[in-house]
Amino acid sequence: DAGVIQSPRHEVTEMGQEVTLRCKPISGHDYLFWYRQTMMRGLELLIYFNNNVPIDDSGMPEDRFSAKMPNASFSTLKIQPSEPRDSAVYFCASSPQRGGGTGELFFGEGSRLTVL
Amino acid sequence: SQKIEQNSEALNIQEGKTATLTCNYTNYSPAYLQWYRQDPGRGPVFLLLIRENEKEKRKERLKVTFDTTLKQSLFHITASQPADSATYLCALDDSSYKLIFGSGTRLLVRP
Repeated sequence: DAGVIQSPRHEVTEMGQEVTLRCKPISGHDYLFWYRQTMMRGLELLIYFNNNVPIDDSGMPEDRFSAKMPNASFSTLKIQPSEPRDSAVYFCASSPQRGGGTGELFFGEGSRLTVL
Repeated sequence: SQKIEQNSEALNIQEGKTATLTCNYTNYSPAYLQWYRQDPGRGPVFLLLIRENEKEKRKERLKVTFDTTLKQSLFHITASQPADSATYLCALDDSSYKLIFGSGTRLLVRP
């Protein structure tokens, strides 16, 4: 298996533009997580899905952020409009379980977003 | 909510020595705790999981302990090598079954 695949790896955009980050989880994993990593705040959980259904989006910072999972093999995280404070590395991770018990998380390589 | 504390200062040790990293948490004791390794520009990679009823877990040169009384986990790398240089993240579940991460401790092993 190729692991969790994220795109783009790097994105530079201007304030006010729409940004869409993409993720393909590992086949057969029922859980998908979006995290954001910054120097100041570390790794923060934004939202997670179970069987394509959003379960907890309490970490989504504002209404400017939205996430979808139209099928088991694809998820998007969208920021509209983007702001400089959204600059971070965004990670997608999948797990055959909730991330608890014996469920380790498998992370992608991340999408580094820079908003000018 | 749960809070995780890891030493923000880098740990700098000589090759061959044992590296010991600390993870402290507040509030309730989690059912399990996980450790991840993260290299620059890469995503975190799972290393070990330890449950609340386990005192110690080993995997090759890695050892993790879990003390629910002290609310602390220790992560040891024995016979450390320069290739072990990375940031190590502690993670545990919060009350709503989400996995939350500490800020990580950077380890530098000098040859």
